[in-house]
Amino acid sequence: AQKITQTQPGMFVQEKEAVTLDCTYDTSDPSYGLFWYKQPSSGEMIFLIYQGSYDQQNATEGRYSLNFQKARKSANLVISASQLGDSAMYFCAMREGYTGNQFYFGTGTSLTVIP
Amino acid sequence: DSGVTQTPKHLITATGQRVTLRCSPRSGDLSVYWYQQSLDQGLQFLIQYYNGEERAKGNILERFSAQQFPDLHSELNLSSLELGDSALYFCASSDWGREAEAFFGQGTRLTVV
Repeated sequence: AQKITQTQPGMFVQEKEAVTLDCTYDTSDPSYGLFWYKQPSSGEMIFLIYQGSYDQQNATEGRYSLNFQKARKSANLVISASQLGDSAMYFCAMREGYTGNQFYFGTGTSLTVIP
Repeated sequence: DSGVTQTPKHLITATGQRVTLRCSPRSGDLSVYWYQQSLDQGLQFLIQYYNGEERAKGNILERFSAQQFPDLHSELNLSSLELGDSALYFCASSDWGREAEAFFGQGTRLTVV
């Protein structure tokens, strides 16, 4: 089974609107961390936001928030007030265990912000 | 700037050749990860080192090997290169613990011709 599933290969959003990128995960470990990364066309991977499995509140970082629904095993990224510079690939990732080793990545969602 | 340095940024080489990719982790990070990103396979975890020792192995081919040196920099060696090895190779580093995000380098784009 896939550890991380991103079902939206491509998304479009109007500038200044909000957009939600979906991510579901699969783990039997009670302790895990969930991450979102952004990859612009230049290729680098940029960390956006982190959510721990024991965190009671949804993580927020500026215009990014993570809608964490533990029972549904989903960790959707919400980008508010989209900007043209948000156009990029977005990857959801997970680390398992307290001293988790590798990151498991989803296949990514390509977001295009339309002026 | 993530603080993770990868060299070279681009590499073009012929099939059958051997190349070495280098990574300097963020200051203080003991963990180094190597990932391969290709169009058909997505982001694939290759291998992780922690303070010089191999910690986890992913989908790394036998033709590939890595090591982490006492100064914590790491090298990924790719040998007997095939066309299908053409990809973006990322190095990432992190502190220990599940909450520690990985900081990625800019990647080395390898093209095998």
